[in-house]
Amino acid sequence: GENVEQHPSTLSVQEGDSAVIKCTYSDSASNYFPWYKQELGKRPQLIIDIRSNVGEKKDQRIAVTLNKTAKHFSLHITETQPEDSAVYFCASRGGDYKLSFGAGTTVTVRA
Amino acid sequence: GAVVSQHPSRVICKSGTSVKIECRSLDFQATTMFWYRQFPKQSLMLMATSNEGSKATYEQGVEKDKFLINHASLTLSTLTVTSAHPEDSSFYICSAKTSGGNYRNEQFFGPGTRLTVL
Repeated sequence: GENVEQHPSTLSVQEGDSAVIKCTYSDSASNYFPWYKQELGKRPQLIIDIRSNVGEKKDQRIAVTLNKTAKHFSLHITETQPEDSAVYFCASRGGDYKLSFGAGTTVTVRA
Repeated sequence: GAVVSQHPSRVICKSGTSVKIECRSLDFQATTMFWYRQFPKQSLMLMATSNEGSKATYEQGVEKDKFLINHASLTLSTLTVTSAHPEDSSFYICSAKTSGGNYRNEQFFGPGTRLTVL
């Protein structure tokens, strides 16, 4: 089955700086890559996603890049704010619509 | 966006009892729902895929006789944890996949159910 690896496991950044989280996947059939933000005790919240026919996507301070050849994708958050502090999960999905999640990254934005 | 609810949001039960968790798609029909389990400070792990009108398919290592899934309608799937034990204490989250409309084939997560087995 699909294996998604995510790094780093924790990330502390100064407010205003950028945060980058990287993920790799193993199944070349995966074609959809969402990123989720989860606050303690809450449901995962989709923040951005990218499909395999696109290399980059941006939504305000959040951007995602995908390298299909290398099977890796990254989340970039610019101008971080304290409310960006949360756990972020990358995921991949193939034709069966099952999501495989990375282990998560705890992001702390220092004021 | 599409809305998914779960009930109950929190449940505490004694060891050996069974607990039923409901997952509902409120404003769309979902032929497929997924059940995840999340232990503290860990990722979401897919337990099973629930298909309306047919048997659920379970991921490797998940006991189908312990985690009973019923998807009797296009808007409701239930997960029953049978003979619960403390090691079953976890955060259970469902997601529902849309069949059509503006969010075709997208998944929407429920708010989760915190199960504590004493």
